[in-house]
Amino acid sequence: EVQLLESGGGLVQPGGSLRLSCAASGFTFSSYGMSWVRQAPGKGLEWVSGISGSGGSTYYADSVKGRFTISRDSSKNTLYLQMHSLRAEDMAVYYCAKDRLTISALDIWGQGTMVTVSS
Amino acid sequence: QSALTQPASVSGSPGQSITISCTGTSSDVGGYNYVSWYQQHPGKAPKLMIYDVSNRPSGVSNRFSGSKSGNTASLTISGLQAEDEGEYSCSSYTSSDTLVFGGGTKLTVL
Repeated sequence: EVQLLESGGGLVQPGGSLRLSCAASGFTFSSYGMSWVRQAPGKGLEWVSGISGSGGSTYYADSVKGRFTISRDSSKNTLYLQMHSLRAEDMAVYYCAKDRLTISALDIWGQGTMVTVSS
Repeated sequence: QSALTQPASVSGSPGQSITISCTGTSSDVGGYNYVSWYQQHPGKAPKLMIYDVSNRPSGVSNRFSGSKSGNTASLTISGLQAEDEGEYSCSSYTSSDTLVFGGGTKLTVL
């Protein structure tokens, strides 16, 4: 069964850092690009970042560029999102998602992990 | 990277058809045939319903269909069922090699 399982969310103070992980199973991890998508409470979906299957190409939304870093470890079938300088507006459920073939469609989603930014 | 524009809510009775619009620009919706639609129920992860404007993933009912004209994409659900109630979001690939979502549309089945 194809599955994504996020972890690493929690409470962090403004200006703090957090690293999210996403464990993948049931497919050839290195063959697919991956994305992080977030959803603030009561709000719509927001694409945050994407990475190619090889890890050689990374992409970011303007709202997180320079503060967040996406990476992957194919030996562990795991996707990461390192978040620095967190702000109140970064508070959201963070989902990892698998590209269907390209970044244009995300066909498998994890259950999400909540990031709360508050003092 | 402005969000795509969707109506906040739509509603319909069982058996009816509804259409949700998704308006962008020539740098996203209008420039590529890479529009997707997602269904989301409260507290759950999104589910891919349509990709590449009009294609359905395996397992998605043929009551769901997608189309595009210019900078506006549309999702049509025919033969509305109670289980279709939820939030629907569109997304598009952009000229900046990013993905942009719409604000989401809440579908109510009356």
